Amino acid sequence: QKEVEQDPGPLSVPEGAIVSLNCTYSNSAFQYFMWYRQYSRKGPELLMYTYSSGNKEDGRFTAQVDKSSKYISLFIRDSQPSDSATYLCAMSFSGNTGKLIFGQGTTLQVKP
Amino acid sequence: DSGVTQTPKHLITATGQRVTLRCSPRSGDLSVYWYQQSLDQGLQFLIHYYNGEERAKGNILERFSAQQFPDLHSELNLSSLELGDSALYFCASSSQGASGNTIYFGEGSWLTVV
Repeated sequence: QKEVEQDPGPLSVPEGAIVSLNCTYSNSAFQYFMWYRQYSRKGPELLMYTYSSGNKEDGRFTAQVDKSSKYISLFIRDSQPSDSATYLCAMSFSGNTGKLIFGQGTTLQVKP
Repeated sequence: DSGVTQTPKHLITATGQRVTLRCSPRSGDLSVYWYQQSLDQGLQFLIHYYNGEERAKGNILERFSAQQFPDLHSELNLSSLELGDSALYFCASSSQGASGNTIYFGEGSWLTVV
């Protein structure tokens, strides 16, 4: 079993829909939770960053962390075709090693 | 543009060969990280260097090695290449050791081993 599980999709939604992306994890020692967006053949780009449990909102994006359930989510409101990409969740332990544990990524397509 | 520069962008090489991937971190960043992304394993942490010193090691094969030079650029050396080493190799950087919120990824180097 992988430390971080993420449904690879693909997920196809119409423009304007609310998108929900999720990851589960097994190691309760994770403290930092991130969502990255990766366009085809490009480097991952940090979208959202959360420390410990709670919600964080940034524009159309909302990240939620539920440590009791070992479950994190990313919501995208009013999805746009430009949101079509692969979304990767990532987690890390406390400490400054830069070692991120990534999910497999969910491929999202937003159709006009 | 993240400010992290990787070269080459693409390379094709034969099994058994050795290649070197190069990374220039963002200006002022002291930490360099290497990650490997493959279809079956996803994105995996390989190694972290801070100001020339190795700080953390992940799932890096013994055939692979890395170093960070005094000018802070880094190289990832891959030797005795196998077909399974074909992957996208990312370099990332941050100003100091970070837990994720300030790590910036380059565009990657596509390695194809034939």
